[in-house]
Amino acid sequence: EVQLMQSGAEVRKPGESLKISCQVSTGYGFTSDWIAWLRQVPGKGLEYMGVIYPGDYDTRYSPSFEGQVTISADKSISTAYLQWSGLKASDTAMYYCARLKGDFWSGYFDYWGQGTLVTVS
Amino acid sequence: QSALTQPPSASGSPGQSVTISCTGTNSDVGGYDYVSWYQQHPGKAPKLIIYEVSKRPSGVPDRFSGSKSGDTASLTVSGLQAEDEADYYCSSFAGHYIGYVFGTGTQVTVL
Repeated sequence: EVQLMQSGAEVRKPGESLKISCQVSTGYGFTSDWIAWLRQVPGKGLEYMGVIYPGDYDTRYSPSFEGQVTISADKSISTAYLQWSGLKASDTAMYYCARLKGDFWSGYFDYWGQGTLVTVS
Repeated sequence: QSALTQPPSASGSPGQSVTISCTGTNSDVGGYDYVSWYQQHPGKAPKLIIYEVSKRPSGVPDRFSGSKSGDTASLTVSGLQAEDEADYYCSSFAGHYIGYVFGTGTQVTVL
């Protein structure tokens, strides 16, 4: 079974940097599927941020998040990352990683992490 | 890019059916058969319940069904049960530049 385990809740001040993680338990090849990051502001809906294909590190961002965050991965430990270099209060949200099953243009998010709550204050 | 449009709320009594719409454009819902639906209970991660417009993952009851007509996709929950009370989100591929878009979300209440 596929499991995505995210790092714990974080509290940061505006302007600080942060990197959160999503470790994927194999049962399938970590390098064979896209891993996505999604944001959910408290009380609001889901937003797609971008994806990474750990096999070749191909990374694609939603235009809304391009330049605002960095998505990366480390194949050796089956872990994907989401990183900020200068947090803003508006980055306060729950962040989910999820597997995008299928090809980039024809996929769906079938397995989800438990979420990482990021608070910037 | 704009979120797909869903009604904010829907409700039904146990045993009844509820249908949720998800309206986009011909650049997302209308342009691709890659619409998926997610159920989210309070404080929990979303769960996939429909993919590729109308397919159900293993373990999802057949009370959940999906369809699409033009730029609008729909999720129908038949035989409503108390545990169906949750938020529901649609999602669609929206082209290689944008990637994926989600709906605004619908809160389903079982009366």
